[in-house]
Amino acid sequence: DVKVTQSSRYLVKRTGEKVFLECVQDMDHENMFWYRQDPGLGLRLIYFSYDVKMKEKGDIPEGYSVSREKKERFSLILESASTNQTSMYLCASRGTTGDEQFFGPGTRLTVL
Amino acid sequence: GESVGLHLPTLSVQEGDNSIINCAYSNSASDYFIWYKQESGKGPQFIIDIRSNMDKRQGQRVTVLLNKTVKHLSLQIAATQPGDSAVYFCAENRRSNDYKLSFGAGTTVTVRA
Repeated sequence: DVKVTQSSRYLVKRTGEKVFLECVQDMDHENMFWYRQDPGLGLRLIYFSYDVKMKEKGDIPEGYSVSREKKERFSLILESASTNQTSMYLCASRGTTGDEQFFGPGTRLTVL
Repeated sequence: GESVGLHLPTLSVQEGDNSIINCAYSNSASDYFIWYKQESGKGPQFIIDIRSNMDKRQGQRVTVLLNKTVKHLSLQIAATQPGDSAVYFCAENRRSNDYKLSFGAGTTVTVRA
């Protein structure tokens, strides 16, 4: 079974802090994604990566950056956290042979 | 703009009845559709998917129907059980052969005992 893990289930940070959200997958998938999930809005794509050191902006990249130094790890960075970044963050991965995206359990981030 | 939407944000179903969750999409270029289930405190889990060259696909207790004429997608759950209580999302790829997905807002299904 594919396993996607995220470093924290719950995180509380203060406005202005730098925040790192980590995601690791164990299936040697090329594609990895970061989404945020807000009530009534579904999942919105922040960034995705199709290979090591490769990244592309999604629909809402403002205020975020990403890093993919190793194939199995995709990090989401909030350079200076703001209260409107309080949300559920979901990481997903996908291989090249299938279409399904496999999701991690999510990190609920609260910015005070 | 392109969007994927679910007709109803909530659905209450009696245990044992069949559930039907609907989804409308607007992107004619989409050729792949997928349904996810998200239980409280968990990430979305794959239920079933379908390509645009099919009208119907069946899984275990679930059936997905695709009507390309009216751009409508539905998920049918047979004999709904308490464990089916969750939020259900439909998603489509953004264009043919693209792996990026666009998600609907989700329908919360509550199963009544």
